[in-house]
Amino acid sequence: QQKVQQSPESLSVPEGGMASLNCTSSDRNFQYFWWYRQHSGEGPKALMSIFSDGDKKEGRFTAHLNKASLHVSLHIRDSQPSDSALYFCAALSNMGYKLTFGTGTSLLVDP
Amino acid sequence: EAAVTQSPRNKVAVTGGKVTLSCNQTNNHNNMYWYRQDTGHGLRLIHYSYGAGSTEKGDIPDGYKASRPSQENFSLILELATPSQTSVYFCASGDVAVSAETLYFGSGTRLTVL
Repeated sequence: QQKVQQSPESLSVPEGGMASLNCTSSDRNFQYFWWYRQHSGEGPKALMSIFSDGDKKEGRFTAHLNKASLHVSLHIRDSQPSDSALYFCAALSNMGYKLTFGTGTSLLVDP
Repeated sequence: EAAVTQSPRNKVAVTGGKVTLSCNQTNNHNNMYWYRQDTGHGLRLIHYSYGAGSTEKGDIPDGYKASRPSQENFSLILELATPSQTSVYFCASGDVAVSAETLYFGSGTRLTVL
């Protein structure tokens, strides 16, 4: 069973709109979370990390973490066509060196 | 910026053949990783390494071997390739456990096993 689940599988938003991506883990040892973004034909690149409960904002991107419910979300405001990509949630256990990735959310921003 | 280089970019192999995927990093990271990416599964960890001479099994190691001869180089070896190993393979480096750093990925190798 996948330890990190993402929803939705795919998402389409209009240019300038808000995109919301969700991630839930089933392992309470996961303490550190990242969002990675992958454009077609490229390797994933880290977008932002979040390690504490609450919100973290970086430009148009806001991540939210609730460790009690093992839920992480990413919100992209004023979405741009260049934001069209595959987004992965990744989690790191406080006991290991392995980063566990979710199944990904494909985001399409319609111009 | 941190650099991870993979080769080859594309590879076609025959069933039962041996395949070696190579990865080089110039980040001086201790940890290196091999993932495969398949639709519906995301990125799954095959093998990883803490440093030169070490290799550890990830979540899906069956059918794969890894080699870390130096700090910079990490190879993934398919001794007897099978069609189920057709996938896109990514190498990454990053000392995530040391300082919760990010991983830096290469551009990937698309492997097709016929």
